[in-house]
Amino acid sequence: AQKVTQAQTEISVVEKEDVTLDCVYETRDTTYYLFWYKQPPSGELVFLIRRNSFDEQNEISGRYSWNFQKSTSSFNFTITASQVVDSAVYFCALSVTGRRALTFGSGTRLQVQP
Amino acid sequence: GAVVSQHPSRVICKSGTSVKIECRSLDFQATTMFWYRQFPKQSLMLMATSNEGSKATYEQGVEKDKFLINHASLTLSTLTVTSAHPEDSSFYICSARGWGGGEKLFFGSGTQLSVL
Repeated sequence: AQKVTQAQTEISVVEKEDVTLDCVYETRDTTYYLFWYKQPPSGELVFLIRRNSFDEQNEISGRYSWNFQKSTSSFNFTITASQVVDSAVYFCALSVTGRRALTFGSGTRLQVQP
Repeated sequence: GAVVSQHPSRVICKSGTSVKIECRSLDFQATTMFWYRQFPKQSLMLMATSNEGSKATYEQGVEKDKFLINHASLTLSTLTVTSAHPEDSSFYICSARGWGGGEKLFFGSGTQLSVL
């Protein structure tokens, strides 16, 4: 079985602060995919990144960066210089080859105060 | 633009009525559709997986007679909540998986169901 843990239920920061959202996953599969999604108050899921288990390179996209470490089964997400528009719930998710549905973490609610 | 269209975005109905939610893949063929349910301030939980032309596979604890899923074509899947009750009030979101220039996985925009 797969499991995704997002230990941070809610984080509140002031605009321009950096913030890191933690994600720890569990799976016995050697081939898997990790995802991050943003869910604003409107409810739709906004895709942020997908990373496969064979690619441990960290990735940066604008103010967003991701740190994938297989040794600790973590896939953390950092927002640099946070903005009010970053306020949302962020979900980390996992899928494996034999089960393409995503297993979601419980989500982290990020509030960025002006 | 959206590659997976989900309708309606919001529905309010009386207890005992049935509600149908549609999920369409717009520019790719969705061989697999997933239906998730999300209660307020909670995570998304998979309800069922459907492959085009075959019966849906339901997750443990999900009543297949209550949540009817049809995936009759490669671009359309429907979820019908039969005899809805207030406890069925939730946010339902579909996801479509297909191929075309690599694997594709997209989510619909979700449907907020409120049963009075």
